[in-house]
Amino acid sequence: ETGVTQTPRHLVMGMTNKKSLKCEQHLGHNAMYWYKQSAKKPLELMFVYNFKEQTENNSVPSRFSPECPNSSHLFLHLHTLQPEDSALYLCASSTRWTSHEQFFGPGTRLTVL
Amino acid sequence: AQSVTQPDIHITVSEGASLELRCNYSYGATPYLFWYVQSPGQGLQLLLKYFSGDTLVQGIKGFEAEFKRSQSSFNLRKPSVHWSDAAEYFCAVGALSSGSARQLTFGSGTQLTVLP
Repeated sequence: ETGVTQTPRHLVMGMTNKKSLKCEQHLGHNAMYWYKQSAKKPLELMFVYNFKEQTENNSVPSRFSPECPNSSHLFLHLHTLQPEDSALYLCASSTRWTSHEQFFGPGTRLTVL
Repeated sequence: AQSVTQPDIHITVSEGASLELRCNYSYGATPYLFWYVQSPGQGLQLLLKYFSGDTLVQGIKGFEAEFKRSQSSFNLRKPSVHWSDAAEYFCAVGALSSGSARQLTFGSGTQLTVLP
């Protein structure tokens, strides 16, 4: 595998479920990002990790919990979500957190019922 | 705070015609500018970027963009569109965030339809 991969590609969950999104990058990058892409809205940055340390949390509700065990893997743990959380969740990586050039994965399409 | 405006929500062009997608940004310092493309069901792919130097930058798939500081614009162009160019295009500006990470601020996107 090359680039940035995300699993699952599609996820349907109820509001009481707990699920996790996974992102893996094979580029040797040190920074990883979670974005939310909702219909008709610009991409919203959620979290930034640099060398496994969280450096940004853009006022994301606590029902979204990120985890970065190493520089290659990033998770987004989901619990008690709301229907308005339905969106495409994109993962990205960059060589370092001071680099603007980010490489994106294909995204996970999340539907909350 | 930085912002990006893509005035055209949807553009339709015929295959072989030229294309220009508009992007205006607001940022207090010298911006880092990007164009990304997103095909249905896919993530974002970087088309081109401007950091400094020559204001006309070349990208992949035959795209180019011109940075015009006086107009705060970074318009994307292609001389002859192919049917495979149909996708959504996003302009983004890179800036410092409060935590010193580099943050990309995206426009709302322009959906491109290509007619045969």
